[in-house]
Amino acid sequence: KAGVTQTPRYLIKTRGQQVTLSCSPISGHRSVSWYQQTPGQGLQFLFEYFSETQRNKGNFPGRFSGRQFSNSRSEMNVSTLELGDSALYLCASSLEGQAVDTIYFGEGSWLTVV
Amino acid sequence: GENVEQHPSTLSVQEGDSAVIKCTYSDSASNYFPWYKQELGKGPQLIIDIRSNVGEKKDQRIAVTLNKTAKHFSLHITETQPEDSAVYFCAAGGNYGQNFVFGPGTRLSVLP
Repeated sequence: KAGVTQTPRYLIKTRGQQVTLSCSPISGHRSVSWYQQTPGQGLQFLFEYFSETQRNKGNFPGRFSGRQFSNSRSEMNVSTLELGDSALYLCASSLEGQAVDTIYFGEGSWLTVV
Repeated sequence: GENVEQHPSTLSVQEGDSAVIKCTYSDSASNYFPWYKQELGKGPQLIIDIRSNVGEKKDQRIAVTLNKTAKHFSLHITETQPEDSAVYFCAAGGNYGQNFVFGPGTRLSVLP
């Protein structure tokens, strides 16, 4: 069974640009959540989607957004990039998105903003 | 909201010794506590998890204990091997959907 797949793995963007990251969950998983990982702040929850609806959102500015498609695949978008957005963006999926469901992470997308 | 502390931040052990990492959480409503291992350049990989109705869980060389009264849980790795070297994260959740709060991580080095 394939794991969580994230694309692209690495990308470099310029300040002010926008970026879109993609995530394909484990087959059969309907919940997708996104996390940002930085050396200073650690792993921080961005948002979670289930059945194409955002169910939960972390404490990030509105420049961070996402969506989920009917096949459970998800994208996240960051607009007006800032240097501080440089991070590893991790997607995780779970079966039903229940509070005690195990989440499985992808390998992440490394974003560098210059 | 939930706050998770994790100690130590770095840990070095000799191959074959045991390693223990401890986490504390603040929200008594949390009822699910996973542990993840992250190797360089990779995403976190679930190694073991425990739910609040259980006090201890073991999987081969790895065990996790949970004390809900004291609000702390620990990861125990026995007979450590060089391939156990990685960053380990604890997390607490189960009360805010998929919004898990992670500890800051412990860098474990197993010296041959």
